[in-house]
Amino acid sequence: EVKLVESGGGLVQPGGSLKLSCAASGFTFSSYTMSWVRQTPEKRLEWVAYISNGGGSTYYPDTLKGRFIISRDNAKNTLYLQMSSLKSEDTAMYYCARSVVAHFDYWGQGTTLTVSS
Amino acid sequence: DILLTQSPAILSVSPGERVSFSCRASQNIGTSIHWYQQRTNGSPRLLIKYASESISGIPSRFSGSGSGTDFTLSINSVESEDIADYYCQQSNSWPTLTFGAGTKLELK
Repeated sequence: EVKLVESGGGLVQPGGSLKLSCAASGFTFSSYTMSWVRQTPEKRLEWVAYISNGGGSTYYPDTLKGRFIISRDNAKNTLYLQMSSLKSEDTAMYYCARSVVAHFDYWGQGTTLTVSS
Repeated sequence: DILLTQSPAILSVSPGERVSFSCRASQNIGTSIHWYQQRTNGSPRLLIKYASESISGIPSRFSGSGSGTDFTLSINSVESEDIADYYCQQSNSWPTLTFGAGTKLELK
């Protein structure tokens, strides 16, 4: 059974940093590209980051470039999202999702980030 | 960026009815549209890929159609477990992927 379990969310002050993790199981992690997708309090879904199966290629929406970094450790079957210079508009539920080319076939349960003073 | 407009924002149906969700793209995206269901307090679940391709494990009452700029997700005979939010997502501008704002399906 494919399982994705996110962790690391919490309350962060504006300008702060946080690193999310996603533990994967039930499939050959190193064979799949992975992404982070967030859902705002208004329930909008936004793609946040993409990483190739080997980790050599990463992509971000232009609005997030430079603040978010996606990475992975295939030996640990874990995906990461390092977030910095956080803003209130980054407040959201963050999902890790397995990517199949350009859509998402499995999603985790999500971890919540709140950016507030 | 490619914008996806979903309409209506809310759909009210009775069990057993057929329902259709609309997703319109701001430019021609071929069949690069995918549909997701999100139940209350749940994570999104892939229902249809590439406009009309079925997904293993998804009930056959779900189907998709369309190409170019206009796309439709249909549920043949709505069941109570289908009450959820439905989102479309485009992949024509990969790696930049965007979602529609969603349509909420509720019971009359």
